[in-house]
Amino acid sequence: ETGVTQSPTHLIKTRGQQVTLRCSSQSGHNTVSWYQQALGQGPQFIFQYYREEENGRGNFPPRFSGLQFPNYSSELNVNALELDDSALYLCASSLIAGVSTGELFFGEGSRLTVL
Amino acid sequence: AQSVTQLDSQVPVFEEAPVELRCNYSSSVSVYLFWYVQYPNQGLQLLLKYLSGSTLVKGINGFEAEFNKSQTSFHLRKPSVHISDTAEYFCAVSDLRDTDKLIFGTGTRLQVFP
Repeated sequence: ETGVTQSPTHLIKTRGQQVTLRCSSQSGHNTVSWYQQALGQGPQFIFQYYREEENGRGNFPPRFSGLQFPNYSSELNVNALELDDSALYLCASSLIAGVSTGELFFGEGSRLTVL
Repeated sequence: AQSVTQLDSQVPVFEEAPVELRCNYSSSVSVYLFWYVQYPNQGLQLLLKYLSGSTLVKGINGFEAEFNKSQTSFHLRKPSVHISDTAEYFCAVSDLRDTDKLIFGTGTRLQVFP
């Protein structure tokens, strides 16, 4: 039990729709990172939020956006959904110094299916 | 850019047998190395990490890994596996020139048979 909770656990959307995924980080952690894990692939970095600001971004288009709130919880928003967006979306909370040293605590993920 | 290669997508093994899961990365310049495990329907959990010092690192559940700079490898080993070790294992690297993320390999599915 990492203390990182994600919601919803599963959801189904259709192409063109928008989705919001939520993450509650572990107590005391100020950094949230989001990863996309497509079927049969490793997690790919989407972006990271530190103190409510985007602190780094992977190779994902602008229709992937996020927020971090004062309590350090976070949202991932995806607009204009495409079939290839179907994946498990993982949230990881940490201290900012813990990212490079692998001290990431992952939630169980939100599995998105786009039809 | 850094990349991580896990050549074995699946490794079947019998219980109590030894196992090695292979991992190679693209550059040995300023990196930290990790192995994560993902049990079914769960998030990733850190097994072990190499930051500096001894090249042989020990992790949870009896796993160990060896950092080999000349071969840019970080293979994971366990001398005797249990059924409960059945899971997906991911090798990952942190590039110290770009510290906001981990770069993961594609994973190795370890299947332990009785």
